[in-house]
Amino acid sequence: LAKTTQPISMDSYEGQEVNITCSHNNIATNDYITWYQQFPSQGPRFIIQGYKTKVTNEVASLFIPADRKSSTLSLPRVSLSDTAVYYCLVGDYPSGSARQLTFGSGTQLTVLP
Amino acid sequence: EAGVTQFPSHSVIEKGQTVTLRCDPISGHDNLYWYRRVMGKEIKFLLHFVKESKQDESGMPNNRFLAERTGGTYSTLKVQPAELEDSGVYFCASSQPRGGQYFGPGTRLLVL
Repeated sequence: LAKTTQPISMDSYEGQEVNITCSHNNIATNDYITWYQQFPSQGPRFIIQGYKTKVTNEVASLFIPADRKSSTLSLPRVSLSDTAVYYCLVGDYPSGSARQLTFGSGTQLTVLP
Repeated sequence: EAGVTQFPSHSVIEKGQTVTLRCDPISGHDNLYWYRRVMGKEIKFLLHFVKESKQDESGMPNNRFLAERTGGTYSTLKVQPAELEDSGVYFCASSQPRGGQYFGPGTRLLVL
């Protein structure tokens, strides 16, 4: 499974756009990129998944360059409630389906007032 | 729709005792997974059920851990005997055959 590297922590202010970049230099052809969010005392929650270019949903956008060796999770206009750990996962599991998920250390995002 | 539930939310036991964790998946989800995060480490996969069958148990740390899913509904994870290094948060997740994995809130286990 491709190893991922992401910043340990990031700070932002309410209302700002936050971009979290994940490196996955050894991503394989069949691999998808999936992001999960985890609040304290809760389990991880699926945010978004993509294979290439750009994916957008009601929560976030995911930007993937042509070489797919990195990806950027973009959270528009963050609020205090977006403070959480964000995990970037790479693997051959479309929609995070019936295979084990491999979590890295994640990025602790802290949104300040 | 109810989410994945886990019981208990917290458990404090002494080394050598037995603890059983329970997970109730989302109704209709055939896939059930167990993960755990021990102190300071990353979330790690333990095993995967498809209905009542163990599909992948490559992440189970040793034979002190026993997972069951009789009837293909809820699952239990028993640790016997518990050791200090078993302390951590145990997560359960469930999914449909090609759907995303939905996680429960976790069980926080502390072995003293």
